[in-house]
Amino acid sequence: QKEVEQNSGPLSVPEGAIASLNCTYSDRGSQSFFWYRQYSGKSPELIMFIYSNGDKEDGRFTAQLNKASQYVSLLIRDSQPSDSATYLCAVAVGGNDMRFGAGTRLTVKP
Amino acid sequence: GAGVSQTPSNKVTEKGKYVELRCDPISGHTALYWYRQSLGQGPEFLIYFQGTGAADDSGLPNDRFFAVRPEGSVSTLKIQRTERGDSAVYLCASSFQPNQPQHFGDGTRLSIL
Repeated sequence: QKEVEQNSGPLSVPEGAIASLNCTYSDRGSQSFFWYRQYSGKSPELIMFIYSNGDKEDGRFTAQLNKASQYVSLLIRDSQPSDSATYLCAVAVGGNDMRFGAGTRLTVKP
Repeated sequence: GAGVSQTPSNKVTEKGKYVELRCDPISGHTALYWYRQSLGQGPEFLIYFQGTGAADDSGLPNDRFFAVRPEGSVSTLKIQRTERGDSAVYLCASSFQPNQPQHFGDGTRLSIL
C-alpha cells in the first residue's frame, strides 16, 4: 500500500462548480497534511495545510481532515480555468519527512 | 531573492558522468529536503537535512547518490556514475522547522543521454 494515495484523475468540472479532491494515507501517526498545486512544468506551490480534524477554509479553498478515516480532502469552490493543474496531497510521516501522492489532474472547463 | 534557489535549471550529461545539483534555501529555514519527480508522478522523497546533518537519507536510491549541507544552509546533491534512469526533475524544498509547510525551488531538470 502506498503511503499517500490519490485518484490520478483527470477530474473535469465546469467553471463555477465545486471541485473535490481526495487523499488517503497509511501512517496513523501522521499529524501534518498539505495540499500543493503544480502547474505543468512548474514546481509545487503550497495551497493549504491542516493539522487538526475538521475543516479549514481559506478563500475558495477548504481542506478537510478526518484522522480516524485517514482521509484528507480539498474543496475548491467557484472553480476557475486558472485552477486547472495537478493537485498534490502531502503527509508528514515519521514526524518530519514528507510523502507525496501522485497527484490528481484537475481541468476546469469554461 | 526570497525563495528557494536551485542551480542549474537544466543539466544534460552523458551516462557515467558525475553531476552536482545545488540548492540555496530560504534564509532562516533549518529544514531542507531533496525530492525527485518523474513525469506524471508526485515528488519522491530522497533526503532531509535538519541543520547540517542528514536526518533521514532513506530515500536515496543507492550509493551513487549523496548530499551534503556543510554549513546548514546551501546543499549539494551529488550523483556519481549517472544512469539514464536518473533523468528526472530534482526538487529542493525548505521549511522554517520540520513538519511545517515546505517551499519549493524551481527544480533542476536532469537529462542523462
